[in-house]
Amino acid sequence: DARVTQTPRHKVTEMGQEVTMRCQPILGHNTVFWYRQTMMQGLELLAYFRNRAPLDDSGMPKDRFSAEMPDATLATLKIQPSEPRDSAVYFCASGLYEQYFGPGTRLTVT
Amino acid sequence: DAKTTQPPSMDCAEGRAANLPCNHSTISGNEYVYWYRQIHSQGPQYIIHGLKNNETNEMASLIITEDRKSSTLILPHATLRDTAVYYCIVWSNAGNNRKLIWGLGTSLAVNP
Repeated sequence: DARVTQTPRHKVTEMGQEVTMRCQPILGHNTVFWYRQTMMQGLELLAYFRNRAPLDDSGMPKDRFSAEMPDATLATLKIQPSEPRDSAVYFCASGLYEQYFGPGTRLTVT
Repeated sequence: DAKTTQPPSMDCAEGRAANLPCNHSTISGNEYVYWYRQIHSQGPQYIIHGLKNNETNEMASLIITEDRKSSTLILPHATLRDTAVYYCIVWSNAGNNRKLIWGLGTSLAVNP
């Protein structure tokens, strides 16, 4: 049963610290997405990649967020420095047409 | 902005059919209708999609009106585990576009 995996599942950090979230997409999926979900904003697309190349990162605050795909089995989302307003659940998804989501990383920045 | 309109909440009795409506009056000819759901504290889950014809899979049925301006997701025998937020999304796979626009969805409560 192929699934998208994400680590860590929970992260609590202090303001100003660097946060790295990792995602392993489903093998063979060439499109990977990063989303952020909060109660206020709902589900927001931050960025997505196709064949490891960034296609759209317009939803991502450029000054502190960065997303990469070092290889086909790993996608990373980094926040540096983190701020309390970054507290949210971050989802990774992969898929060709349908998107398959991971369990999310719940980030709390104090 | 989302291109779909859904009721914010619905209730359904366990064992009965749940019919979740979605309006997409501005849908384009090459746009599909996709349905996802999100169970509390989990990532969204793909359910079904369609273009013109009605579709059925092991999870649900999708009924699309002839003018394609609205659709209904049917869960034939709802269970407590179907309690979730259901999202209706219209999307075209033309070109490199992989961006889904997520609205607020319908919060479905299945009651015992």
